[in-house]
Amino acid sequence: ETVLTQSPGTLALSPGERATLSCRASQSVSSSYIAWYQQKPGQAPRLLIYGASSRATGVPDRFSGSGSGTDFSLTISRLEPEDFAVYYCQQYGNVPRTFGQGTKVEIK
Amino acid sequence: QVQLQESGPGLVKPSETLSLTCTVSGGSISSYYWSWIRQPPGKGLEWIGFIYYSGSTDYNPSLKSRVTISLDTSKNQFSLKVSSVTAADTAVYYCASSPWGWYYFDYWGQGSLVTVSS
Repeated sequence: ETVLTQSPGTLALSPGERATLSCRASQSVSSSYIAWYQQKPGQAPRLLIYGASSRATGVPDRFSGSGSGTDFSLTISRLEPEDFAVYYCQQYGNVPRTFGQGTKVEIK
Repeated sequence: QVQLQESGPGLVKPSETLSLTCTVSGGSISSYYWSWIRQPPGKGLEWIGFIYYSGSTDYNPSLKSRVTISLDTSKNQFSLKVSSVTAADTAVYYCASSPWGWYYFDYWGQGSLVTVSS
């Protein structure tokens, strides 16, 4: 099973700041099959990024993804108040499909 | 745009079978892959399994012995059964869709909390 380790566990930042979230895989993820999701309290996750760097429909361009192999990242260029949430990475290149444990982005 | 809605009992007794149904609207059930994903309270996400339009399935090995996912195309629904449940199966259960040929999750239901307790 491919274990995804997200860091940091919690990121405390102010609106307007840049956020960089990391997702490291225990083995190479084929074809950069990494997705990122945003989850707010009491809501279902929302797809942000797929294929490591492709934004889902309607996702603002302040969200960007990058990486390959075992190291991937999600960057939020300038945090808006609605961006404070938990973010999960997911790999879908290996079976079983697995998620990271999440990074919480909170207001400093 | 695909919309999904979970339904089923919110309370299940230990050792019994958890059953949930996901109703799909706004999209053809033949155009997507369909999944169940769960999230224990305060914890992360766990993929349970996929079902394809053909009816074939793909389960997480950690749950495979207890899980059955089925499809009812006439009702635009797919279902989840988890047998021999324990408190560790208490979670919010989500149904979700994946674009045909892909395995990320683009649309999600709102989630259904299932508590396992006597």
